[in-house]
Amino acid sequence: DGGITQSPKYLFRKEGQNVTLSCEQNLNHDAMYWYRQDPGQGLRLIYYSQIVNDFQKGDIAEGYSVSREKKESFPLTVTSAQKNPTAFYLCASSSTGGMNTEAFFGQGTRLTVV
Amino acid sequence: GENVEQHPSTLSVQEGDSAVIKCTYSDSASNYFPWYKQELGKRPQLIIDIRSNVGEKKDQRIAVTLNKTAKHFSLHITETQPEDSAVYFCAATPYGQNFVFGPGTRLSVLP
Repeated sequence: DGGITQSPKYLFRKEGQNVTLSCEQNLNHDAMYWYRQDPGQGLRLIYYSQIVNDFQKGDIAEGYSVSREKKESFPLTVTSAQKNPTAFYLCASSSTGGMNTEAFFGQGTRLTVV
Repeated sequence: GENVEQHPSTLSVQEGDSAVIKCTYSDSASNYFPWYKQELGKRPQLIIDIRSNVGEKKDQRIAVTLNKTAKHFSLHITETQPEDSAVYFCAATPYGQNFVFGPGTRLSVLP
């Protein structure tokens, strides 16, 4: 099923709470990405990592944090500092950091603040 | 940095007609141009891609054309079917950098 798995599929968060979204891939890809998608909108890059133990901010990193301790895993934490976190979050991976290679997407996590 | 524009934002066609979606990019260093299809509530999936050393690529009913001089590329879908209804995203990739996606086109194929 594409080799990249996100969990959970749906997540509810109370205001003021941090939540962590999981992303795991078994494709042996070096690069991993987190995107945010709002209704009717495109894909906005939150964070990306091209190699283990290294990651870079994307266009909308404020209020989010990531780690890349293992090649297979790239969890995203949505912190209480993110003022409008309700959105659809997509994780993706590619073999060599965007250099002419296909990005594979997870099935997404829909986060709702209640 | 790279900037990708995509038009139209919505497109409705009759079943059996053709659909064309156009994207423009700004960075002449971009050399990989994928197209993704996203059905409602699902993940984006690659449907076709083209590299800068090629002007056109075709896969059954889907084709992509690239004009590097004008910095634009287009997706062509012929003989559209209801299952082609989805949101389509183009992307441009400067060498060694990350994908930059267009804002998407919502295609509706009317029976």
